[in-house]
Amino acid sequence: EDKVVQSPLSLVVHEGDTVTLNCSYEVTNFRSLLWYKQEKKAPTFLFMLTSSGIEKKSGRLSSILDKKELSSILNITATQTGDSAIYLCAVEARTSYDKVIFGPGTSLSVIP
Amino acid sequence: DAGVTQSPTHLIKTRGQQVTLRCSPKSGHDTVSWYQQALGQGPQFIFQYYEEEERQRGNFPDRFSGHQFPNYSSELNVNALLLGDSALYLCASSLIWQGSSEQYFGPGTRLTVT
Repeated sequence: EDKVVQSPLSLVVHEGDTVTLNCSYEVTNFRSLLWYKQEKKAPTFLFMLTSSGIEKKSGRLSSILDKKELSSILNITATQTGDSAIYLCAVEARTSYDKVIFGPGTSLSVIP
Repeated sequence: DAGVTQSPTHLIKTRGQQVTLRCSPKSGHDTVSWYQQALGQGPQFIFQYYEEEERQRGNFPDRFSGHQFPNYSSELNVNALLLGDSALYLCASSLIWQGSSEQYFGPGTRLTVT
């Protein structure tokens, strides 16, 4: 059965800290790995990763995919209180139709 | 350019009742997917609609049904509500040729079943 696992499930850090969020997956016919940020309701897209070893960056956020290890990490440097959110990892699989499987999310709290 | 919209924002229903949730996709999008997100969990795929037909379905019982209209908007219907149906229901829209990785989410409908 297709599965996406995230760790840790929750994390509390102080402003300025660097955090690393982990995602691992077992999916048939992998197509891409996606990271989302969910602050209140609607998840907002952060990154899409398809190739192994290539880092995607956006400001203080970066992510990399390891297809050999079936995993990905999301790094946030110099955290701010505005980074407090749930970070969702999802994997898109290509079967007869494409489908997206989400992990449980990591709840990040950044305290001043 | 309006994004994905959903209505209502919040809803409280009693066990056994029926509910209808609505979604308007982002302008230009032709595919709508529905997800259920229980508290503390990631979104779980319910089903996807394209060309007014259910294209694929997740592991949800037949109590969950949907519809897509010619203008691409969609409804999610849940019959015989259970306490466990309490969740945030998210709608996401996309273009069929881009795949679900390019989907945009709406703000969700928070359903509480008492």
